[in-house]
Amino acid sequence: GAVVSQHPSRVICKSGTSVKIECRSLDFQATTMFWYRQFPKQSLMLMATSNEGSKATYEQGVEKDKFLINHASLTLSTLTVTSAHPEDSSFYICSATQRNSGNTIYFGEGSWLTVV
Amino acid sequence: GENVEQHPSTLSVQEGDSAVIKCTYSDSASNYFPWYKQELGKGPQLIIDIRSNVGEKKDQRIAVTLNKTAKHFSLHITETQPEDSAVYFCAANEMTGTASKLTFGTGTRLQVTL
Repeated sequence: GAVVSQHPSRVICKSGTSVKIECRSLDFQATTMFWYRQFPKQSLMLMATSNEGSKATYEQGVEKDKFLINHASLTLSTLTVTSAHPEDSSFYICSATQRNSGNTIYFGEGSWLTVV
Repeated sequence: GENVEQHPSTLSVQEGDSAVIKCTYSDSASNYFPWYKQELGKGPQLIIDIRSNVGEKKDQRIAVTLNKTAKHFSLHITETQPEDSAVYFCAANEMTGTASKLTFGTGTRLQVTL
């Protein structure tokens, strides 16, 4: 199946700093990418929908100024957690929809963020 | 918006037995229902999916059934093996403008014991 790659897989940052997570579709063009966060033993919660060349659509309750999403090309979307705090520590996962594949959605391996 | 419920939350079966996980959804417009397997510390892996024009789909030991009238869909794993142990999520899509986004169930932790 299609491959979605995330980087970094694990990152530790100091409180107050910003951290960027990349999501790449390696062998297909992704017109839409999604960003989720997942707390331990919980389900995936959609944060935002990222469409190439346009502004991301954020879910209710997600601060767009804190979680900056950029989808500059058909193969790359980035999530920047700005002014990170310990409560932002979580597992962040991206997914991508393959163009012309119907609704099939593939997930990346996730990125563990720990804010200390 | 779409609401997906998933049961059971935990499931323990003996190796070789079958496992069934059930989900319901609320939005009759949903037309795509994937199932994901998530191992600890990893991203979800698509294991099977079904679209609304099909009632059943099978891939080796895994099968999915869909009842659109009742808004139910289920995952069936036969001849379970220890490596099937993981958390399984069902999902249903929801069209928002031109994008199709997934709403996930709460997950089922499957434990296959020897």
